[in-house]
Amino acid sequence: RKEVEQDPGPFNVPEGATVAFNCTYSNSASQSFFWYRQDCRKEPKLLMSVYSSGNEDGRFTAQLNRASQYISLLIRDSKLSDSATYLCVVNMNYGGSQGNLIFGKGTKLSVKP
Amino acid sequence: DGGITQSPKYLFRKEGQNVTLSCEQNLNHDAMYWYRQDPGQGLRLIYYSQIVNDFQKGDIAEGYSVSREKKESFPLTVTSAQKNPTAFYLCASSIGGEVYGYTFGSGTRLTVV
Repeated sequence: RKEVEQDPGPFNVPEGATVAFNCTYSNSASQSFFWYRQDCRKEPKLLMSVYSSGNEDGRFTAQLNRASQYISLLIRDSKLSDSATYLCVVNMNYGGSQGNLIFGKGTKLSVKP
Repeated sequence: DGGITQSPKYLFRKEGQNVTLSCEQNLNHDAMYWYRQDPGQGLRLIYYSQIVNDFQKGDIAEGYSVSREKKESFPLTVTSAQKNPTAFYLCASSIGGEVYGYTFGSGTRLTVV
């Protein structure tokens, strides 16, 4: 099983749509979870951290399900500017030592007018 | 403004040459990282350093070398031993630990000619 898995997409949605991405991770001991956004030929930028209780930032909502080891990102009222690749990021914590962050390959979102 | 700076933005290398990619940060972060990204692929960890004068190999360290003589700087050398060096190279830093995520530089696009 890959450490962090995402549906590569692309997800093609009209403006104003609601779209959801899922991500699964393999290490049940992982403690830190993030969603990053990467525009074409640019560096990844932190979109939001994912907390156990779920968290919201404007049109973006992140959820964590530890039992099933998956993370989700919901985008409401999609904008053209939301078009990007969304990376699921998880720390791999083995044996109590802090591991590095592992990046999924990303899910590509294209929002159309 | 605090940030992480990579240079050059584009770099062309001839077969058999070593090249060094620069990464400088003024965020006072302890940890620094080098990733490689190939088209349509996720980020792969090359080397990382949690503290000055110490660094560890990542998943794909062969053909690369690093140094960490100063907290602010973490240069990456792509040696002639790296058989397929054409890629997008990303440097990142973090305050230490993976709780806060990583901040990325804008990347260096290396092409072998």
